[in-house]
Amino acid sequence: GAGVSQTPSNKVTEKGKYVELRCDPISGHTALYWYRQSLGQGPEFLIYFQGTGAADDSGLPNDRFFAVRPEGSVSTLKIQRTERGDSAVYLCASSSTRGDTQYFGPGTRLTVL
Amino acid sequence: GQQLNQSPQSMFIQEGEDVSMNCTSSSIFNTWLWYKQDPGEGPVLLIALYKAGELTSNGRLTAQFGITRKDSFLNISASIPSDVGIYFCAGLEGGGSQGNLIFGKGTKLSVKP
Repeated sequence: GAGVSQTPSNKVTEKGKYVELRCDPISGHTALYWYRQSLGQGPEFLIYFQGTGAADDSGLPNDRFFAVRPEGSVSTLKIQRTERGDSAVYLCASSSTRGDTQYFGPGTRLTVL
Repeated sequence: GQQLNQSPQSMFIQEGEDVSMNCTSSSIFNTWLWYKQDPGEGPVLLIALYKAGELTSNGRLTAQFGITRKDSFLNISASIPSDVGIYFCAGLEGGGSQGNLIFGKGTKLSVKP
């Protein structure tokens, strides 16, 4: 079956612009996670959704970052007033429920010039 | 944020050799996981460990969950060229952050045919 998909695969933007990154989880998975992976690092947790609600957003670095999952399926990570330090690969993962095996998408590589 | 200490950072080995990498933490985890990441892809789960002292195999891969619950190792036997990639250990958080993964910085494996 289909895995986790993320679009776009690459996004180049200018400092100060707004970007949206999309995640399509595995069908039926209620838990959805966003991670950020900087060059040479492991992924770092950003936010977790159970259904439509953000159950844990403790990993979001500041209030420029926001994510939604309005219908409990597709999620969008939104970054306002992008900074060069936001450049990274943004990974999405889903699991059937919290604590179960997380399946990762291929990521979106964000480059802020 | 919290991170796992993973070593070595990189390895260059000859095809057919065995490989060993490990991961330590200052915190206790109840679940340890090992992932492999290929370029342009998200991490893929290799082995999951759920009990202290547990030794689990998946083909040529063997991983152990340390008895203190603060460490784990991964062995790859008789390496082949397709083993090339970055290997990450991850601890699964419990309590209020249950389900969030904490990753190490990765071990980059290169295999010479």
